[in-house]
Amino acid sequence: NAGVTQTPKFRVLKTGQSMTLLCAQDMNHEYMYWYRQDPGMGLRLIHYSVGEGTTAKGEVPDGYNVSRLKKQNFLLGLESAAPSQTSVYFCASSYGASGGESYEQYFGPGTRLTVT
Amino acid sequence: KNQVEQSPQSLIILEGKNCTLQCNYTVSPFSNLRWYKQDTGRGPVSLTIMTFSENTKSNGRYTATLDADTKQSSLHITASQLSDSASYICVVSDSWGKLQFGAGTQVVVTP
Repeated sequence: NAGVTQTPKFRVLKTGQSMTLLCAQDMNHEYMYWYRQDPGMGLRLIHYSVGEGTTAKGEVPDGYNVSRLKKQNFLLGLESAAPSQTSVYFCASSYGASGGESYEQYFGPGTRLTVT
Repeated sequence: KNQVEQSPQSLIILEGKNCTLQCNYTVSPFSNLRWYKQDTGRGPVSLTIMTFSENTKSNGRYTATLDADTKQSSLHITASQLSDSASYICVVSDSWGKLQFGAGTQVVVTP
């Protein structure tokens, strides 16, 4: 049981390049999330999904797109990377919304992205 | 303005000593509060969760308290170990499941 995995672990992009971050979970969770973590700030929600085939915007969605074609995978895309998107990106999953103890979010190890 | 404020930003403690981290929040309506531990280069891992009716919860050497009236929580680490060096994040959930993350307190335990 690997939990939540993220690919790649590190990436350096040039401004304007595109890339896709892959998140996979093997816990049969319905909900999946993408966050970014910047120094001195709390994690901020980019996009989330409440089930296969669904996606929704979070707090900071601009410049990102997502897809949830399979229940176990959640992809985060950057179409035209900007230096402001330099950050550490975390994927998380949960059985449902965090309204109770059973809906804990489980986090992946993160992807460190640098845009030059 | 962040609805979850943590203090201090960082602290250094000697191995074996105790420490207490603070979390103040304005999230409403309140559902639950979690403390997460995030080791360097890793994702956050949940330590404790407390709902409105709970005022203390322990997980080994970690003890969290909650005062829902004053909207304050604390995380107490007893007899610190080198492995306690990490960032500790306070996360508050509202009734609709929306999470607000604090910026974290960076704890360094020295021998």
